[in-house]
Amino acid sequence: AQRVTQPEKLLSVFKGAPVELKCNYSYSGSPELFWYVQYSRQRLQLLLRHISRESIKGFTADLNKGETSFHLKKPFAQEEDSAMYYCALLRAGNMLTFGGGTRLMVKP
Amino acid sequence: EAGVAQSPRYKIIEKRQSVAFWCNPISGHATLYWYQQILGQGPKLLIQFQNNGVVDDSQLPKDRFSAERLKGVDSTLKIQPAKLEDSAVYLCASSRSGTDSYEQYFGPGTRLTVT
Repeated sequence: AQRVTQPEKLLSVFKGAPVELKCNYSYSGSPELFWYVQYSRQRLQLLLRHISRESIKGFTADLNKGETSFHLKKPFAQEEDSAMYYCALLRAGNMLTFGGGTRLMVKP
Repeated sequence: EAGVAQSPRYKIIEKRQSVAFWCNPISGHATLYWYQQILGQGPKLLIQFQNNGVVDDSQLPKDRFSAERLKGVDSTLKIQPAKLEDSAVYLCASSRSGTDSYEQYFGPGTRLTVT
């Protein structure tokens, strides 16, 4: 069975500090992982996809198959990064399994 | 492009009553999803449609939940009768076919409160 775990419900950092939102997964197949974000009063939207290996809004995420992790990182947090972040795993049939989410608060 | 539309945005009902939610996906998106998001949790997939056919409904509590997408466009999700534990945000999402099918576009959700 597939599972996505985000161990932190809340992460609070100061502006300019590094950020790491943790995500661990369990999946028997070859995983395809994503980070989705929901800003206040906005819809859930895709932030990045591990296959693309892009940096979006300064965020990066590397898939570590040995540790079954897909942590989201940003070297210098901005106040506008405050949001709910969800790690998600894509399984056969384009179906997503989401983690429980982490609320990131960036303080001025 | 216009986003995924959902209505109503909020609904309060008493337990054992019925309720229906409506979703209009992005034009041209063949795949439509319904998710349930309970407070403090991530979205959980209830049902996935490809055009007007069901791809997966393994997580749908079929004794009380039903969903349809008759013409392969709009979809409705119904709960009958509702229970207290059905209080949640119900999210609709849609995606394209083909190589871009991995990205799901979400609607604003319907917040259901069952009292």
